[in-house]
Formats: sequence, structure tokens, C-alpha cells
Amino acid sequence: KAGVTQTPRYLIKTRGQQVTLSCSPISGHRSVSWYQQTPGQGLQFLFEYFSETQRNKGNFPGRFSGRQFSNSRSEMNVSTLELGDSALYLCASSLDLAGYTFGSGTRLTVV
Amino acid sequence: QQQVKQSPQSLIVQKGGISIINCAYENTAFDYFPWYQQFPGKGPALLIAIRPDVSEKKEGRFTISFNKSAKQFSLHIMDSQPGDSATYFCAASGTSGTYKYIFGTGTRLKVLA
Repeated sequence: KAGVTQTPRYLIKTRGQQVTLSCSPISGHRSVSWYQQTPGQGLQFLFEYFSETQRNKGNFPGRFSGRQFSNSRSEMNVSTLELGDSALYLCASSLDLAGYTFGSGTRLTVV
Repeated sequence: QQQVKQSPQSLIVQKGGISIINCAYENTAFDYFPWYQQFPGKGPALLIAIRPDVSEKKEGRFTISFNKSAKQFSLHIMDSQPGDSATYFCAASGTSGTYKYIFGTGTRLKVLA
């Protein structure tokens, strides 16, 4: 059974650019959540999607957005990148909230 | 009310010893408490989880102890091994309606050979 796949694994962007990260959940999982992980702030919730609908959103600026497609694959987008957006972005999928499976993440570096 | 406080921040244990990591929460609506293990370069992996209707859950060398009245839960790693060296995160979730986990700040465990 394939796990959660995140692409790309590493990304370097310049301030002001935008970036799109992709997540393919485990087959059959309809819930996809995104988290930002930094050394200083730990794991911070970005948003959660279920059947193409955003059910919850964390306390991040509007530059952070996401979407989910009919096949449950999800993307998140960050516009107008800032140095502080450098982080590991983790996607997790689940059948319900009882037991996330995380991907290996996308390491974003903003220079 | 949304915080989960985790301690210690780092922990060094001898091989064969017991590692204990503690977490405390405030929101009584939380009803699912997982622990995740993360190795460098990897995403967190679910280790063990508990619901508040039981006070203890054991899986192999890993045990969660849960104190509902104190709003605290802890992870015990028995017979700690060097391969257990990783960062551990506790989390809490209300499985109806909130659709997110609140994570603790993590504990970096090092088990000496």
C-alpha cells in the first residue's frame, strides 16, 4: 500500500515568488491536512480538506491557500513568499481524524 | 485552551532505560491523543494513540498513561534502544468538528549505546 506522496521533496524559491506543493494521499483516504513545521514553532496546522471542501483553516495569512481535487489529491499554494515561510511542509491523510499518516514533506527554502 | 504543553524539550537515556515524555492539555473537548515519532528527513509516524475512556494503553515497549482528571498524558518507552533516538510529538484532537490536531512542541530523545 503506497504511503502519502509529496512532491517536490526540496524547493528553493526567491522572496516574492509563489510556490505550489502537491500531495497524493493514501488510496481511499478522503481527508488531507497540511502542516508547517519549523524549529521555532513546531507543527502548525494550515488547513484540512475532505471531499474537495475545506473544513478547517489555521491561523495563517491569506497568502497560504489550498485545494483538493476529486481524486483526493491536494495542492497548497503560497504566494508572495517571505523568508519566514522557509519550513518543512507536511501533508497527512486519513480515513477519519483517528490516525494521520504523514508524507515525508517538502522542504521549502526562501532566499 | 488550544495548547498542548510537552516536556522535556530534550532527553538523554542510557540503553535499556525508561524514557518518559509528558504532555498536558486544557481543552476538555479533546478526545483523541496520539504520539508521533519523527526521524530526521522523514515525516512524523504514528506510534500509539489513546482515547480518554482508558487510563493506559500498551503496544510493545511503548505505553501511554492517561490521567483525565489532571488533563495529562505521557509516553513511556521501556528498554530504550539507540534506534529509538528521534523526536517525539504528542498531539490532541477533538474528532468531531474541529478536523485538526494540536501538537506539542516535541521532545528530542537520544538513547546512548
